[in-house]
Amino acid sequence: GQQLNQSPQSMFIQEGEDVSMNCTSSSIFNTWLWYKQDPGEGPVLLIALYKAGELTSNGRLTAQFGITRKDSFLNISASIPSDVGIYFCAGQGVSRDDKIIFGKGTRLHILP
Amino acid sequence: EPEVTQTPSHQVTQMGQEVILRCVPISNHLYFYWYRQILGQKVEFLVSFYNNEISEKSEIFDDQFSVERPDGSNFTLKIRSTKLEDSAMYFCASSTRKFTPQHFGDGTRLSIL
Repeated sequence: GQQLNQSPQSMFIQEGEDVSMNCTSSSIFNTWLWYKQDPGEGPVLLIALYKAGELTSNGRLTAQFGITRKDSFLNISASIPSDVGIYFCAGQGVSRDDKIIFGKGTRLHILP
Repeated sequence: EPEVTQTPSHQVTQMGQEVILRCVPISNHLYFYWYRQILGQKVEFLVSFYNNEISEKSEIFDDQFSVERPDGSNFTLKIRSTKLEDSAMYFCASSTRKFTPQHFGDGTRLSIL
């Protein structure tokens, strides 16, 4: 079935550093989504991307929909402690389906 | 901000018993979904529901599973005869239209003993 390859699996960074993570797929998607999941909670939508090449920001977060429609990246600038969590990329809308295919997540740790 | 609510937050059930997980989607949303996340793994699609019928389901969603919208606000997932491997977080999600971003509830942790 459709798979998303998300990397890195985990990151250990110092507070204040910038973060970059990405996702690739063998299938094209109509929408790329980035979610964050905190322990014991559901995924929370951070950014939704609808068009190839689109670059969208949400505060310190920036994400881009790759031109091939098979990849996306998420950048976080000047990380703060509350950025800790798991970040999932997700693709939505292949052919007539609108189910979301999730990546395996990037677990972000921030060192004091 | 409106949100998807799920109850209970944690359900513990004996293997072989039936469970019903409940969700109240965002009120003006028309598309409803269930996803599953086994501990430490990625979120997996189970089923989508629109206009009182299933529009798509995954291979995980076998005959043991069913969904229902019993009234104008609730959306339920029933597992008929639970197995140990059904232990997971179950997330409900909803969206306004097809292909619009889905908003997730905080999930129900299902533990099968």
